[in-house]
Parts: sequence; structure tokens; C-alpha cells
Amino acid sequence: AQSVTQPDIHITVSEGASLELRCNYSYGATPYLFWYVQSPGQGLQLLLKYFSGDTLVQGIKGFEAEFKRSQSSFNLRKPSVHWSDAAEYFCAVGVDGNEKLTFGTGTRLTIIP
Amino acid sequence: EPEVTQTPSHQVTQMGQEVILRCVPISNHLYFYWYRQILGQKVEFLVSFYNNEISEKSEIFDDQFSVERPDGSNFTLKIRSTKLEDSAMYFCASTRGVSYEQYFGPGTRLTVT
Repeated sequence: AQSVTQPDIHITVSEGASLELRCNYSYGATPYLFWYVQSPGQGLQLLLKYFSGDTLVQGIKGFEAEFKRSQSSFNLRKPSVHWSDAAEYFCAVGVDGNEKLTFGTGTRLTIIP
Repeated sequence: EPEVTQTPSHQVTQMGQEVILRCVPISNHLYFYWYRQILGQKVEFLVSFYNNEISEKSEIFDDQFSVERPDGSNFTLKIRSTKLEDSAMYFCASTRGVSYEQYFGPGTRLTVT
């Protein structure tokens, strides 16, 4: 069965600084990969997805992620964070023909002035 | 932009009572899902539903749970006899196909007392 690891439970970043959130997955083939964001009391909003093709994918709100097959990783990046980026970020994996998404435990992002 | 909606936003019930959580998926979507998130934990898959039947369910989705699409727009999750450990945020999601991203609703917070 597929699994997702987000090694950082909590990250604090200064406003304007760059950000990288780590995600590693375990699965034998190429999975579908997603990043979702959850603001306090809110639902899950899709930031970006990787299905195939270009391994660097662009998402909403200035986020990007890079799929690295050799490292089984799909790290999320943003060059300059804004206070409004403070939220919980979830990496998720889906497998073609297996509809369910498997989520990581999430990384809580705090932005300081 | 079309979105998944869920009602109610918060449901408080007593242990042993039946609850029905309601979702209206995006209108042209064909696959429907329920996930849950216990406070402070990761999002977990419960069940997927396609063509008026369950296509996959997790170990969590025992005989106390059922899903239904009673008409062309609603998708419901019923818990027959709630337990304290059913307290969680329940998310509904939908997608037009298994190779497409899932769109999540805002969630229903279920509190069992």
C-alpha cells in the first residue's frame, strides 16, 4: 500500500523568506501526487498536482513542486512567503485505478513578521 | 467556480444516535468520497462511491457507516449509532474521473458527546 511521509510537523518562516516543505512517498510505480492546503477551520484546497510529464509543476498562490523519482519526493516550494500562507499543508498520493488518496500527517506553517 | 458543499457545518449528537452528513458534489462529477480527520491527525479515506455503489472502503468504514446518493445531487454519509471516537471533521470530495484531482468540501465537524 502507498504511504506518504511529511517529516516536518511544524515549520516557522519569516515573511518574505523562501519555503520548502518536504514530502516523500512510498509506492512501486509513479503515483499521482498532490499538495493541499487547509486554513484554520476550513476545508482542503488543492494547490497543485502531478500526474505525468514535466516534473516541475506550478500551482496556485505562487507555489511550485518538483517530482523527483529517484528520491521518491514531491517537495513544495515558494520563493517568498506571505503572512496569508500560514496554514496546514498536506501532501497526498493517489494511484491510477485506486481512487483513494493517502495523506501525509501534514506540516503546519507559521509565518513570523 | 463550482464547488462541493456540505451541511451542516457542525453537528453535535449524543452517543448512540444516528447522524446523516450531507454533501452536494460538483454537478458533472462521477466519483464521490468521504474522508475524515480526527482533531490533530491526518486526513483518512473512508469510502469511494461510483455508479451508485461503493467502489472501495477502508477498515474504518464498518457496518455502522453507510453511504447513499438518494437523488441526482446529494451524497450522504450515515452513522447508525455514533461513538465518542466518531468525533471528527468529515470531508466530502468529488472528481470527474480517477485520473483527475479530487475537490473537497468545507467539511462537517461532528462532535459526539
